[in-house]
Amino acid sequence: SQTIHQWPATLVQPVGSPLSLECTVEGTSNPNLYWYRQAAGRGLQLLFYSVGIGQISSEVPQNLSASRPQDRQFILSSKKLLLSDSGFYLCAWSALPGGRGQPQHFGDGTRLSIL
Amino acid sequence: AQKITQTQPGMFVQEKEAVTLDCTYDTSDPSYGLFWYKQPSSGEMIFLIYQGSYDQQNATEGRYSLNFQKARKSANLVISASQLGDSAMYFCAMREGPGAQKLVFGQGTRLTINP
Repeated sequence: SQTIHQWPATLVQPVGSPLSLECTVEGTSNPNLYWYRQAAGRGLQLLFYSVGIGQISSEVPQNLSASRPQDRQFILSSKKLLLSDSGFYLCAWSALPGGRGQPQHFGDGTRLSIL
Repeated sequence: AQKITQTQPGMFVQEKEAVTLDCTYDTSDPSYGLFWYKQPSSGEMIFLIYQGSYDQQNATEGRYSLNFQKARKSANLVISASQLGDSAMYFCAMREGPGAQKLVFGQGTRLTINP
C-alpha cells in the first residue's frame, strides 16, 4: 500500500532563517506531488505541484520554492523565512494520470512557527 | 469569484443525528470532480468521498453520502448517525477538467458532535 511521509512534524524558526521540508511517498511510481499551506482555521492554499522529476508548477508567487530531485521526493524550501510563512504545511500525492476519481492523499503536515 | 463555497463556518449536532454540510461550486467545465475531506484536530486530511460530474447516482461511502444537485451546482455531504469522532473540520474540493492536476478547496465547516 502507498504511504506518504512528511517531516518534521513541528518546526520553530527565526525570521530570516532558511527552511527545508521534506516529503516522500512509498508504494507508487510517478505520482503527482503537491505542497499546500493552511492558515489557522482556513482552507488549503496550493503552493506547488509536480507531475514529474524536475517539473514544478508554482501557484502563488512568494519566497518559497519547491524541488523534486527524485520521483517520490518533494522538498519545500526557503532561503529567508518571513513571519507570514507561519502555518500548517501539507504534502499530498495522487496517482497519474490524475483521472477524475483520483483523490489526493495527504501527509500528517508540518506546523511551522516563525518567531 | 469563489470556486468552492462552504457557507457554514460551524455546526453543532447532537450525537446519532444526521447532519448535512453544504457545498456549492462554480465551474463552466462540463467535466469535473468533487471531493470531501475530513480534518481532525490532529491535522491530517482524510479523503471521504468523491462525486464525478457525469456520475448518474449520488456517491455513498458507509455513513457518508453526497447529495449531488448538478443544476444547482451543489454537492452537500450527508453524515448519517453522527458519532463523537465525527467532530472535525470538513472541506469540499473540486477538480476541473478531465486531466486536471489541482484541487481547489473551500474554507471548511467545523462540525461539533455533542453527546
